[in-house]
Amino acid sequence: AQSVTQLGSHVSVSEGALVLLRCNYSSSVPPYLFWYVQYPNQGLQLLLKYTSAATLVKGINGFEAEFKKSETSFHLTKPSAHMSDAAEYFCAVSDPTGGGNKLTFGTGTQLKVEL
Amino acid sequence: ETGVTQSPTHLIKTRGQQVTLRCSSQSGHNTVSWYQQALGQGPQFIFQYYREEENGRGNFPPRFSGLQFPNYSSELNVNALELDDSALYLCASSRQGQGNGELFFGEGSRLTVL
Repeated sequence: AQSVTQLGSHVSVSEGALVLLRCNYSSSVPPYLFWYVQYPNQGLQLLLKYTSAATLVKGINGFEAEFKKSETSFHLTKPSAHMSDAAEYFCAVSDPTGGGNKLTFGTGTQLKVEL
Repeated sequence: ETGVTQSPTHLIKTRGQQVTLRCSSQSGHNTVSWYQQALGQGPQFIFQYYREEENGRGNFPPRFSGLQFPNYSSELNVNALELDDSALYLCASSRQGQGNGELFFGEGSRLTVL
């Protein structure tokens, strides 16, 4: 069975500050890992994905994440927060051997960006 | 390119009733997945449809059922509604065989069960 744990259900940063959202995963096979963003009253949008190529993955809107097998982590970062980054962020894992399309999500981290 | 569209966007039902939610997949996608997102939670996988057949199911009872049509659109049916079924139901489409987990989500159908 696969699972993800997102540490911190709410994170608050100042505009221009570093964003760090934490995700740890559990998987019996080398996983695929994802970060999705959800704006209010909208569906989920893919930010970035790790599918066993480069361990440092760059996504949209200036976000990136690093796959660290030794730490079973896939933390999301952005050097400088913008007001428009305020949203809920979900980390997700899938099993490539099972087709890779069934995702197990974490419980989400609500990011607040303050002036 | 047409994205994933879902209908209705909001609906209210009472316990014991049945509901049907609809989803049109993104152009070129042949696989549809359904997720339930309860308030304050992450989405949970309900099931996936490919070639008009269920192709994977999460931990949901049989009163959750679905269909996929030849044009790849899909329905989610829930019978004997319970209060805990109140949630945002998300449809996602993808290309089977692409296998990289990149799902394209609709904006969801918010179901309230009273």
